[in-house]
Amino acid sequence: SQQGEEDPQALSIQEGENATMNCSYKTSINNLQWYRQNSGRGLVHLILIRSNEREKHSGRLRVTLDTSKKSSSLLITASRAADTASYFCATVAPASGGSYIPTFGRGTSLIVHP
Amino acid sequence: DAGVIQSPRHEVTEMGQEVTLRCKPISGHDYLFWYRQTMMRGLELLIYFNNNVPIDDSGMPEDRFSAKMPNASFSTLKIQPSEPRDSAVYFCASSLRNTLADTQYFGPGTRLTVL
Repeated sequence: SQQGEEDPQALSIQEGENATMNCSYKTSINNLQWYRQNSGRGLVHLILIRSNEREKHSGRLRVTLDTSKKSSSLLITASRAADTASYFCATVAPASGGSYIPTFGRGTSLIVHP
Repeated sequence: DAGVIQSPRHEVTEMGQEVTLRCKPISGHDYLFWYRQTMMRGLELLIYFNNNVPIDDSGMPEDRFSAKMPNASFSTLKIQPSEPRDSAVYFCASSLRNTLADTQYFGPGTRLTVL
């Protein structure tokens, strides 16, 4: 399966600290996406990184991709209590019929203490 | 746009009853996806549609599950008969196209409890 696996499963930090979450996967991908899920809500897309990109930034988010190691990381700098959520990586590769369907990992649960 | 709309938000039913979950995708989106989320199995893709046509239903766990998309603005996921192990949060998501640049927009989910 090309399903991404996030690490750690849970992360607890203090406000102002940086949070780093990792995602590993098994097969070649076309792109990798990170999503966020607040408690009781649906997933929200955060950032997409293509397989030919190594790093991407969006506000306080920094995503890296190492295709040789089949891994990605999501860094949230200067975390806030409002960043408390679960974070999922989704790997994208061609599926049957030529569609590109993201496959989600199990997520990292992040708690930021005020 | 109001985003992806799902109803009901919560459903509690008894084993053996029929359950129907509803989804309205974002207007203009060609793709619609149904997911199931549990602690044990994470987020699983059940089925997806392209322009109202089911493309891949290999994730549908059993014949008790069925999904339809009669038009571009409405889809249902039906479980008949329901069982306690079907208890989960069911998400509907849509995407504009299916290029590598497209991302998915999720609804708020339906939390299903089967007693």
